[in-house]
Amino acid sequence: ETGVTQTPRHLVMGMTNKKSLKCEQHLGHNAMYWYKQSAKKPLELMFVYSLEERVENNSVPSRFSPECPNSSHLFLHLHTLQPEDSALYLCASSQSWGTHGANVLTFGAGSRLTVL
Amino acid sequence: RKEVEQDPGPFNVPEGATVAFNCTYSNSASQSFFWYRQDCRKEPKLLMSVYSSGNEDGRFTAQLNRASQYISLLIRDSKLSDSATYLCVVNILYEGGGSNYKLTFGKGTLLTVNP
Repeated sequence: ETGVTQTPRHLVMGMTNKKSLKCEQHLGHNAMYWYKQSAKKPLELMFVYSLEERVENNSVPSRFSPECPNSSHLFLHLHTLQPEDSALYLCASSQSWGTHGANVLTFGAGSRLTVL
Repeated sequence: RKEVEQDPGPFNVPEGATVAFNCTYSNSASQSFFWYRQDCRKEPKLLMSVYSSGNEDGRFTAQLNRASQYISLLIRDSKLSDSATYLCVVNILYEGGGSNYKLTFGKGTLLTVNP
């Protein structure tokens, strides 16, 4: 496997369910990200992990919970979501986080989430 | 002023046309600029970085104007396969504090090239 892989590609869940999105990168990168993409909105950065340490992002509701067990894997745990959380969730990685210079992102194919 | 603002589009052009996309950014301290391309129902992919002196990659030319905080992308001789959403991306100082920067995306401009 190469690049960034995400599973599942599609997920339908009820508001009371608990599910998780998984991301794996095979690029040897040190930073991993979760982005949310909703219709007619720019990509929104949700969470960043740099060298397996989380960079806080206080604007994300607590019903989204990230986990980074090692530098290659990233999870997004979902619980008691709302219909407005339906979106494409994209995982990405980059060589490093937060540097002033170029920080090219490689994205996974995304997990399309529908909350009923 | 929005952090990264792009032409709203959409753009519909015939094959062979030249099309230009514009983007402005709010943070004068930004140092890194990119254009990404996103095909329908796919993930964004890096199209090209934007350098101070301007840069060209085949039919694509990117320009940066730091004084006006403005970036452009020019596509010459449009192909059907150029149909996609083009995302302007800028490294913006992260509001979480310190000197970290995060890549901030514009909403994107949809291009459709027609036969």
